[in-house]
Amino acid sequence: QLQLQESGPGLVKPSETLSLTCTVSGGAISSSSSYWGWIRQPPGKGLEWIGHIYYSGSTYYNPSLKSRLIISVDTSKNQFSLNLSSVTAADTAVYFCTMATEYYSDYWGQGNLVTVSS
Amino acid sequence: DIQMTQSPSTLSASVGDRVTITCRASQSVSSWLAWYQQKPGKAPKLLIYKASSLQSGVPSRFSGSGSGTEFTLTISSLQPDDFASYYCQQYNSYPFTFGPGTKVDIK
Repeated sequence: QLQLQESGPGLVKPSETLSLTCTVSGGAISSSSSYWGWIRQPPGKGLEWIGHIYYSGSTYYNPSLKSRLIISVDTSKNQFSLNLSSVTAADTAVYFCTMATEYYSDYWGQGNLVTVSS
Repeated sequence: DIQMTQSPSTLSASVGDRVTITCRASQSVSSWLAWYQQKPGKAPKLLIYKASSLQSGVPSRFSGSGSGTEFTLTISSLQPDDFASYYCQQYNSYPFTFGPGTKVDIK
């Protein structure tokens, strides 16, 4: 059974870079023609699609975040990562990593709360 | 971006009720629509994809319908485990967008 697990700091200072890693178990990132992505949810609010990376390395980003965002994959570690630069309080959210077999997210990590505060 | 709306925003219902949630898109998304269920403190769970296809393991009391700009999620007989928030998501075009959610609570 495929499992995803986010890891990373729970607190990031304003203007710094938010970095999260998603570790995949129960299957190999490189062997699956799937999209590996990130979705976030500010406390008490709805879901926002951040972006995803195809197993081949092609990326698709939300234009609202594109200038600050990098999603990458490390097949040797069976991980993919999110880097969001120049964060503000508006980036405070639970960040979920997901796998999308055909664009919809059928597997989710448990979520990682990241608070942006000095 | 394609804007998604949902109605109602909150729905109070009783166990055994038939519940219907509506999702509308600002432009056609064909049948590229998914529904998710989310409980407090948990990750969303995929219920329906391609507007009406039931995800494996999801109870058959959940069903989806619609195409183009109007979609519905129906729970035929509400169970205690179904009290949660429900979100629709279009994946017809980037950026993928979600509806604001519908909270189903106990009447």
